[in-house]
Amino acid sequence: DTAVSQTPKYLVTQMGNDKSIKCEQNLGHDTMYWYKQDSKKFLKIMFSYNNKELIINETVPNRFSPKSPDKAHLNLHINSLELGDSAVYFCASSQGRYGEKLFFGSGTQLSVL
Amino acid sequence: AQSVTQLDSQVPVFEEAPVELRCNYSSSVSVYLFWYVQYPNQGLQLLLKYLSGSTLVKGINGFEAEFNKSQTSFHLRKPSVHISDTAEYFCAVSGSWLTGGGNKLTFGTGTQLKVEL
Repeated sequence: DTAVSQTPKYLVTQMGNDKSIKCEQNLGHDTMYWYKQDSKKFLKIMFSYNNKELIINETVPNRFSPKSPDKAHLNLHINSLELGDSAVYFCASSQGRYGEKLFFGSGTQLSVL
Repeated sequence: AQSVTQLDSQVPVFEEAPVELRCNYSSSVSVYLFWYVQYPNQGLQLLLKYLSGSTLVKGINGFEAEFNKSQTSFHLRKPSVHISDTAEYFCAVSGSWLTGGGNKLTFGTGTQLKVEL
């Protein structure tokens, strides 16, 4: 049983397109996150939701819009994709908005051509 | 503001040798410290964490880390590594809940541990 699952695993698209990445967790956690890992493996938080409420919103272009239909799902929609958006995007979850143990998905490799 | 420095981007080591991966942090508030491991093509997994109490913390797979407040360090060690320990290791710090910001982990840039025969 996969605890935090992301789809798709790989996403190759052209500049200017709009794409979505989906994330689901079956751990019963109430907090979910999106992290971006660049080509140098640097990981940076983008967003966090607690019980469908946005609690962390880092300095991210407004082309990125997270959506949490329920506490088990956190999707990431990206408009007008740019070359610099190419990265690996990780979804994660934890119990409680200050839960110290994060469970990560296996990542979505986004390549913008 | 918080930051994490992992000085070694790569650490090669022979199997069964000991290893230390270095991590230094800076923060103006009390922090929690973590080590995560990332195996190829996988997400991160928590190895161990320091929240409070004993400064020597033990984690999974035989790893341990020592919190040193005076040196602002949280180095990761293993007395004898195995080929399967080959992975990327990330040190992270969190303390933003003190300002109501939720759990915002700040990661270091990672250390690639390569275990050779």
